[in-house]
Amino acid sequence: DQQVKQNSPSLSVQEGRISILNCDYTNSMFDYFLWYKKYPAEGPTFLISISSIKDKNEDGRFTVFLNKSAKHLSLHIVPSQPGDSAVYFCAASALGNEKLTFGTGTRLTIIP
Amino acid sequence: KAGVTQTPRYLIKTRGQQVTLSCSPISGHRSVSWYQQTPGQGLQFLFEYFSETQRNKGNFPGRFSGRQFSNSRSEMNVSTLELGDSALYLCASSLNSGITDTQYFGPGTRLTVL
Repeated sequence: DQQVKQNSPSLSVQEGRISILNCDYTNSMFDYFLWYKKYPAEGPTFLISISSIKDKNEDGRFTVFLNKSAKHLSLHIVPSQPGDSAVYFCAASALGNEKLTFGTGTRLTIIP
Repeated sequence: KAGVTQTPRYLIKTRGQQVTLSCSPISGHRSVSWYQQTPGQGLQFLFEYFSETQRNKGNFPGRFSGRQFSNSRSEMNVSTLELGDSALYLCASSLNSGITDTQYFGPGTRLTVL
C-alpha cells in the first residue's frame, strides 16, 4: 500500500524554466511533508519542508505547495539549473509516528 | 561537522548468510533511522532508534534487526539473507526524534546477495 505516490518517474525541463514535481498521499494523518534530493552514490539531502498548517513554503528557488483537501503537494523550482538534475523524493510523517514515508521518486533532468 | 558515515559502502554476500551494517550519526544526534531503497519501491522505513531504544518499526520481517549504542552509533543486522534483500541501505540521523527534526542521510551501504 503506497501511501505516498509520485506518479511521474521522470521529468525533463529546459534550463531556466520552471520544474514542477508532484506528489499525492492517501493517509489523512500525515501532517508534515518534506522533499529530498538525491544524487547518484550519495544519500538523500533535505531540501524543503511544509507543515499541514501552511499551504506554501518558500526557500530561494524552491517552493512547496500543499493542498490538503486534494492530498497533494508539489515542488516548484524556478529557475531550473543543471545542478538540479537529480532524483527527488517527497516524504510525509504524522505526529506521534515520526517515521518518514517516502514516495518512489522522480528523476529530474535539466536540459542545458 | 562530519556527516553521517556508513560502513562498509559495498558488500557482497550469498543467500543464507548474515550481514551487519554500521552507521555513525552526526555528532550530537541521538536518533538514527534505517531505510531500504530498491528500484521501484523508493525508500522504505526499517526502524528508528533513539537513546538506545527502538521507537518505530516498519513492515519488515524479523530477520531485520538493529541496535543503538550509548554513543548513538547504530548497527543493522540481516540474518538468513535472501536475493530480495539486495538493496541500498541508508541510515539517517537527527538531533531528536520529533516530527520536524531534519534527518540527515549517509551515503548508504550497497548490499548484493548472490
